[in-house]
Amino acid sequence: AQKVTQAQTEISVVEKEDVTLDCVYETRDTTYYLFWYKQPPSGELVFLIRRNSFDEQNEISGRYSWNFQKSTSSFNFTITASQVVDSAVYFCALSEAVETSGSRLTFGEGTQLTVNP
Amino acid sequence: DAGVTQSPTHLIKTRGQQVTLRCSPKSGHDTVSWYQQALGQGPQFIFQYYEEEERQRGNFPDRFSGHQFPNYSSELNVNALLLGDSALYLCASSLDLNGYTFGSGTRLTVV
Repeated sequence: AQKVTQAQTEISVVEKEDVTLDCVYETRDTTYYLFWYKQPPSGELVFLIRRNSFDEQNEISGRYSWNFQKSTSSFNFTITASQVVDSAVYFCALSEAVETSGSRLTFGEGTQLTVNP
Repeated sequence: DAGVTQSPTHLIKTRGQQVTLRCSPKSGHDTVSWYQQALGQGPQFIFQYYEEEERQRGNFPDRFSGHQFPNYSSELNVNALLLGDSALYLCASSLDLNGYTFGSGTRLTVV
């Protein structure tokens, strides 16, 4: 069975601080996908990134960066120079890789990030 | 290009009643998945529809059922509502492994 653990329930930082959100996963699949989603108070899950299990290159997108380490089954997310608008719940998710259009997502419990001015 | 549309946005029902939630997928998407998100928790997979058939199902009782129409829109039905069914119900549509697009959800409160 697949499992995603986000050990940090809540994180509070001051604007402009860097913050890292941790994600550890478990799966028996050799091929899988990892995701990060942002959920603002409106409720909609906003897609941030998808990573294939064969691609361990770290990725940077503006102030966001992701560190994928297959050896430790971790897929951590760092926000550099945090802003108040980054305040939200962030979810890490895992899915098996299938050839058809989409597979179920297994989500972690989420990390509530609060960025204070 | 409209994203995923869910209706209604909020709903209050009494225990034992039945409810139907609706989802219109993003244009071009053919697969619809439903998730239940209890307060303070991550979304839990309910089921997925493709070509009008249930393709995958999570660990939810038979009280939860669904349907997909020829235009790819979908309904989630919950019978004999329990207090524990109170949650945010999220619909996600996809076309390939890149394309999970979520709606804003329906907030269901069972009293």
